[in-house]
Amino acid sequence: GAGVSQSPSNKVTEKGKDVELRCDPISGHTALYWYRQSLGQGLEFLIYFQGNSAPDKSGLPSDRFSAERTGGSVSTLTIQRTQQEDSAVYLCASSRQGASNEQYFGPGTRLTVT
Amino acid sequence: GENVEQHPSTLSVQEGDSAVIKCTYSDSASNYFPWYKQELGKRPQLIIDIRSNVGEKKDQRIAVTLNKTAKHFSLHITETQPEDSAVYFCAFPPGGYNKLIFGAGTRLAVHP
Repeated sequence: GAGVSQSPSNKVTEKGKDVELRCDPISGHTALYWYRQSLGQGLEFLIYFQGNSAPDKSGLPSDRFSAERTGGSVSTLTIQRTQQEDSAVYLCASSRQGASNEQYFGPGTRLTVT
Repeated sequence: GENVEQHPSTLSVQEGDSAVIKCTYSDSASNYFPWYKQELGKRPQLIIDIRSNVGEKKDQRIAVTLNKTAKHFSLHITETQPEDSAVYFCAFPPGGYNKLIFGAGTRLAVHP
């Protein structure tokens, strides 16, 4: 079946502009995660959605970052007033339910803020 | 706190040698410990995981061991091959939460 997809694959934006990143999880997966990976670095947890529960936003680095998940499926990560330090690869992952199950990652969106 | 320390950060071995990567986690309530492999330019993929009711799990050349008392778990790769070259990440879900905290990663280079 289809895996996790993300769009766009690459995004170049000017400092101060807003960006939206999209994630389509695997059908039937109730859990969805966003991570940020800076060049050569590890995976930084940003936000977690599980079904209809309130999302765990504890990893969002500032109030410029927000995310939503509509209808329990597609998710959008929004970064407002982008800064150069926001440049990174943003990875989305989904799993059947919760963190104690395999997470399937998307290909990521490479964001460059100039 | 929510923290996992991963060592070493880089590891270079000759083909056929063994490689061991160790992670120490902070939350004794955690009960699931996965390892992900990320090849250059690709997405992370799960290679093996272990739950707290067992001490060791093997899958061909890969094994993971868990010591809950000491709060650490290790990845063992035997008979390494050049295609094992990648960055390996350990992870754990802090007890009571449904998110994964990842280690900083270990860059493994296997030289022919």
